[in-house]
Amino acid sequence: AQTVTQSQPEMSVQEAETVTLSCTYDTSENNYYLFWYKQPPSRQMILVIRQEAYKQQNATENRFSVNFQKAAKSFSLKISDSQLGDTAMYFCAFMGTNTGNQFYFGTGTSLTVIP
Amino acid sequence: ETGVTQSPTHLIKTRGQQVTLRCSSQSGHNTVSWYQQALGQGPQFIFQYYREEENGRGNFPPRFSGLQFPNYSSELNVNALELDDSALYLCASSFQGDNSPLHFGNGTRLTVT
Repeated sequence: AQTVTQSQPEMSVQEAETVTLSCTYDTSENNYYLFWYKQPPSRQMILVIRQEAYKQQNATENRFSVNFQKAAKSFSLKISDSQLGDTAMYFCAFMGTNTGNQFYFGTGTSLTVIP
Repeated sequence: ETGVTQSPTHLIKTRGQQVTLRCSSQSGHNTVSWYQQALGQGPQFIFQYYREEENGRGNFPPRFSGLQFPNYSSELNVNALELDDSALYLCASSFQGDNSPLHFGNGTRLTVT
């Protein structure tokens, strides 16, 4: 079975600073995908960034980047130049290619950007 | 591009009743997944529909059932509601076959009293 663990229930960061959210996962699969989703108070889950496990290069999307350590089964999210609009719940998610597109989510990290 | 839409946004039901939640998938998507998100938790996979058939199911009892229609929209039905069914129900659509990410709707907040 796949599990996703986010060990930081809450975090805060000053506006314009950098913050890193942690995520670890457990799987026996070799081919899989990892995602970070953002859930603001509007409730809609919004895709932030995606990483294919077969790619060694870390994914980046503007101010968002990941540190993917496959051997350690670690997938952290770095947010640079934090903005007030980044305040939200952040969920790490795993999808294995053998699990029929089923996503496994962590329990989330509540991020607050302080003006 | 039309996004994923869910209805209703909020719903209050009594224990033992039945409920139907609806979802319209994003244009171009052929797969719909349903997730239950309890307060303070991450979403939990209920099931997925592809080509109008159930295509994977999580650890939920049979009183959770669904449908997918030819236009790829979907329904989630829950019978014999229990207090623990109170949660945010999220619908997500995707395109089967390319390991595409899920695109979510705004969810339906179900309260069972």
